[in-house]
Amino acid sequence: AQTVTQSQPEMSVQEAETVTLSCTYDTSENNYYLFWYKQPPSRQMILVIRQEAYKQQNATENRFSVNFQKAAKSFSLKISDSQLGDTAMYFCAFTYNNAGNMLTFGGGTRLMVKP
Amino acid sequence: GAVVSQHPSWVICKSGTSVKIECRSLDFQATTMFWYRQFPKQSLMLMATSNEGSKATYEQGVEKDKFLINHASLTLSTLTVTSAHPEDSSFYICSPQTRLPNSPLHFGNGTRLTVT
Repeated sequence: AQTVTQSQPEMSVQEAETVTLSCTYDTSENNYYLFWYKQPPSRQMILVIRQEAYKQQNATENRFSVNFQKAAKSFSLKISDSQLGDTAMYFCAFTYNNAGNMLTFGGGTRLMVKP
Repeated sequence: GAVVSQHPSWVICKSGTSVKIECRSLDFQATTMFWYRQFPKQSLMLMATSNEGSKATYEQGVEKDKFLINHASLTLSTLTVTSAHPEDSSFYICSPQTRLPNSPLHFGNGTRLTVT
């Protein structure tokens, strides 16, 4: 079974600065998919970024980028130029198949962006 | 626009009553439906998986007779919490999916259930 661990329950960052959220996972699969989801107070699940394990290049989406270290089974999220609207819960998630499979979520990191 | 409609968004019910939560996929056919539960300040935990026209598969520790799942069509699935108790108070999120490779993962906006 897959497990996903987020070791930082809470983090804070000053507006406009950079913050990195950690995520490690455990799997015996060689091909899989990793995600970061944002859950604001509205509780809606918003996809931030996605990474296919077979791709060596780290995914980027505007201010969001990941550091994917497959050998270390690490998948950290870097948020650059943090904005107040980035305040939310962030969940790292794993699935081994990109066609209709469940996600295994980490415990979440509560990020507070301070003005 | 939203591709998943989950209703109600919140519900308060008395202990011992039943509550039905609906999840509709608006512009795609959901061959598989995942139901997650999220307790306050915790992560999403998978409760059950259902494939259209088949019985649901429940995760360990989730009572199948308490959480009834119906997935009779490709666009609608329901979760009924029967004989609800205060400990069932939680946030329930549906996630309808297709089996098409590289299709985006969808989530409903969730239902906050409070049992008094």
